[in-house]
Amino acid sequence: LAKTTQPISMDSYEGQEVNITCSHNNIATNDYITWYQQFPSQGPRFIIQGYKTKVTNEVASLFIPADRKSSTLSLPRVSLSDTAVYYCLVVLNSGYSTLTFGKGTMLLVSP
Amino acid sequence: NAGVMQNPRHLVRRRGQEARLRCSPMKGHSHVYWYRQLPEEGLKFMVYLQKENIIDESGMPKERFSAEFPKEGPSILRIQQVVRGDSAAYFCASSPITGWTGELFFGEGSRLTVL
Repeated sequence: LAKTTQPISMDSYEGQEVNITCSHNNIATNDYITWYQQFPSQGPRFIIQGYKTKVTNEVASLFIPADRKSSTLSLPRVSLSDTAVYYCLVVLNSGYSTLTFGKGTMLLVSP
Repeated sequence: NAGVMQNPRHLVRRRGQEARLRCSPMKGHSHVYWYRQLPEEGLKFMVYLQKENIIDESGMPKERFSAEFPKEGPSILRIQQVVRGDSAAYFCASSPITGWTGELFFGEGSRLTVL
């Protein structure tokens, strides 16, 4: 399984765009990049998934360069409620995959 | 459409007692995963089950821990003779039998405190 590396923490202010970068140098051909969000005392929640280039949904955008060795989760105009831990995972999108969560990035949004 | 249901949400046990945590997957999901999260740590995979089958238990401690997912009823994670180090949040997640997309649906967790 490809190991991921992401910053331990990030700080931002309301209304700013936040970009969290994750490196996954050993990603395999059939792996997808997946991001989860976890609020305190809650289970993780799937945010977005992509294979290459750019993926956008109502919550975030995911940018993946051609070599796929890194990815960037972009949260537009964050609010206080975006304060959470964000996990970057590499997932084999076939059959099942025992998702491997690292420590994630603790994003703190201040007023 | 109810999400993944876990109970109890909070459980307090004394050392040496047994803890039973239950998980009902989302409707239509027949794959269940259990994860453990220690304070200030990420989630650690424990076990993956399908109905009446343990598919992958590579993350389960060798002793005192067991899991099942019977044909009828919820999945159960059982911890015998609990110790203080078992204090953690235990999360259950489910996924559908087909169309795996890499998305797991997590419950709110069960927080075990061992006194």
